[in-house]
Amino acid sequence: EVQLVESGGGLVQPGGSLRLSCAASGFIFSDFAMSWVRQAPGKGLEWVSSISGSGGSTYYADSVKGRFTTSRDNSKNTLYLQINSLTAEDTAVYYCAKPSGRYFWAPLDPWGQGSLVTVSS
Amino acid sequence: QSALTQPASVSGSPGQSITISCTGTNSDVGGYNYVSWYQQQPGKVPKLMIYDVTNRPSGVSNRFSGSKSGNTASLSISGLQAEDEADYYCSSYRPGSNTFVFGTGTKVTVL
Repeated sequence: EVQLVESGGGLVQPGGSLRLSCAASGFIFSDFAMSWVRQAPGKGLEWVSSISGSGGSTYYADSVKGRFTTSRDNSKNTLYLQINSLTAEDTAVYYCAKPSGRYFWAPLDPWGQGSLVTVSS
Repeated sequence: QSALTQPASVSGSPGQSITISCTGTNSDVGGYNYVSWYQQQPGKVPKLMIYDVTNRPSGVSNRFSGSKSGNTASLSISGLQAEDEADYYCSSYRPGSNTFVFGTGTKVTVL
């Protein structure tokens, strides 16, 4: 069974940094691209970033480019999202998600339970 | 990276059929068959309902169907049930930039 478990969320002051982790199991992690999607409280889904299976290619939404960095450690079956220069607009639940197929553009299924990041002083 | 446009809300009575639209551009919805639909029930994680415009994952009811015409994709739900009450999001891949975009979301209410 595929499992994705996010961790690392919490309360952070504006301007601060945080690293989210997503521990994966139940599949060959390095065979699949992975993605991060966020959802602000009471708002819709927003794609944040994706990374290729090897980790050699990363892609970001314009809203986070230059502040967020996605990486992965295939030896640890773990996906990471480094978030810098946090603002209140970054307050959201951050989901990691696996594509349903081995091709990059495969739809996301399943998703982790999410990790809440709250930016407030 | 503008979001795909969906109606904010759609409602219907039990047993009725409803359709949710999702409008994009030639760079996403209209140019490729990479449209997916997700259902998010209150307090839960999004669930994939339709992929590649018309395909249903195993386990998804055949009351859910997808289609596309030009730059607009649609999700139809027939035989509406109370359990269908949820938020629905469309999504598309943009091959030109290797990015993804979600729709603005539609709240479905079963009257």
